[in-house]
Amino acid sequence: DIQMTQSPSSLSASVGDRVTITCRASQSISTFLNWYQQKPGKAPKLLIYAASSLQSWVPSRFKGSGSGTDFSLTISSLQPEDFATYYCLQSFNTPPWTFGQGTKVEMK
Amino acid sequence: QITLKESGPTVVKPTQTLTLTCTFSGFSLSTTTVGVGWIRQPPGQALEWLALIYWDGAKRYGPSLKSRLTITKDTSKNQVVLTMTNMDPVDTATYYCVHTSDSIRGAFDPWGQGILVTVSS
Repeated sequence: DIQMTQSPSSLSASVGDRVTITCRASQSISTFLNWYQQKPGKAPKLLIYAASSLQSWVPSRFKGSGSGTDFSLTISSLQPEDFATYYCLQSFNTPPWTFGQGTKVEMK
Repeated sequence: QITLKESGPTVVKPTQTLTLTCTFSGFSLSTTTVGVGWIRQPPGQALEWLALIYWDGAKRYGPSLKSRLTITKDTSKNQVVLTMTNMDPVDTATYYCVHTSDSIRGAFDPWGQGILVTVSS
């Protein structure tokens, strides 16, 4: 099974900061990588699919990139509503699919 | 508008079988490429993908729980049922059902609100 290593597990940042979260797959997954955002007490929401395609509700300050084994989620200028936990999910081939361990973005 | 809602017991005893129902609207599970899945999240922990059933009846399970899980669908009722046998306190988690399409693999959207299941004697 494909393992996903997400880092960091948490980070502290201020409004306006540039933030980058990474996910590394244990084998090449092409661009079958999705990002989810979860706020406390809420269900996750799909943020980015196929490594770099933004859902319609997602502001342009979010960017997903990468292919093969290394992927990143970048928030160019962190806003108050972006404080949340972010998860990557690999969806290479048929399931099972695996989530990363999550990155909690906290206010500094 | 697609909506999903989980239902079932919120407390189960160890060794019991958990049966959760996902009732959805806004799509049909007989439509090509459509799927419904289950994902869980223990309190304060990460998400874990559990199972998925597709429009054609194909089923997929996560490897760690495969022997304990069964996923079924009732297309006429717009429902998907997940059963998990031999429940243990470590299975305490919020269980989510999700809509997906095989045309965008791994894109779970939207999610149900989730149901917190506690395993305790």
